Amino acid sequence: NAGVTQTPKFQVLKTGQSMTLQCAQDMNHEYMSWYRQDPGMGLRLIHYSVGAGITDQGEVPNGYNVSRSTTEDFPLRLLSAAPSQTSVYFCASSRLGGQTNQPQHFGDGTRLSIL
Amino acid sequence: AQTVTQSQPEMSVQEAETVTLSCTYDTSESDYYLFWYKQPPSRQMILVIRQEAYKQQNATENRFSVNFQKAAKSFSLKISDSQLGDAAMYFCAYRRGDNDMRFGAGTRLTVKP
Repeated sequence: NAGVTQTPKFQVLKTGQSMTLQCAQDMNHEYMSWYRQDPGMGLRLIHYSVGAGITDQGEVPNGYNVSRSTTEDFPLRLLSAAPSQTSVYFCASSRLGGQTNQPQHFGDGTRLSIL
Repeated sequence: AQTVTQSQPEMSVQEAETVTLSCTYDTSESDYYLFWYKQPPSRQMILVIRQEAYKQQNATENRFSVNFQKAAKSFSLKISDSQLGDAAMYFCAYRRGDNDMRFGAGTRLTVKP
């Protein structure tokens, strides 16, 4: 059971470059989300989705785009990378519909450095 | 917006002793869920324990237990018989319904042999 899979695990970009962080889950979870983790700030929500075709913004959405064409995949796109986006990114998924005492399942994270 | 506060950036405990990590949150809702996650150096986020706000009984998972004080909006984590493997960052988190999960800034726990 793979759970939540994130790729790549590490990435270095130059300022202005674009890239996509991949996230896939095999648990048929409706809810998927992206967080960034910065020192001393915990995890902050970037974007989330409650199902295919439905996305919404979290706390820190600027500079990022998402789409949800399938239940399994939820890619995060950096449009024009900036040094302030240097962070560790986590993808997570969970059930919906009265079962939100279920915890989110997290991927192993992507460490992204913007030079 | 809901906020989660962990007032202890770092804590230290002797092996086999007990330690309590603090968490407070701000909400106007009556029905919500609270979680403690552990993040070891491997960076994985591991669920430690969860609590439903409508349950008065404090949750317990082996050596881990919580002290949930709904009126005070407090949700502390007690680790008994601390082990070296408990050393990690611990995050308190709040979730209401189908909405996003809000995290505290974390507490780094060191376990001394």
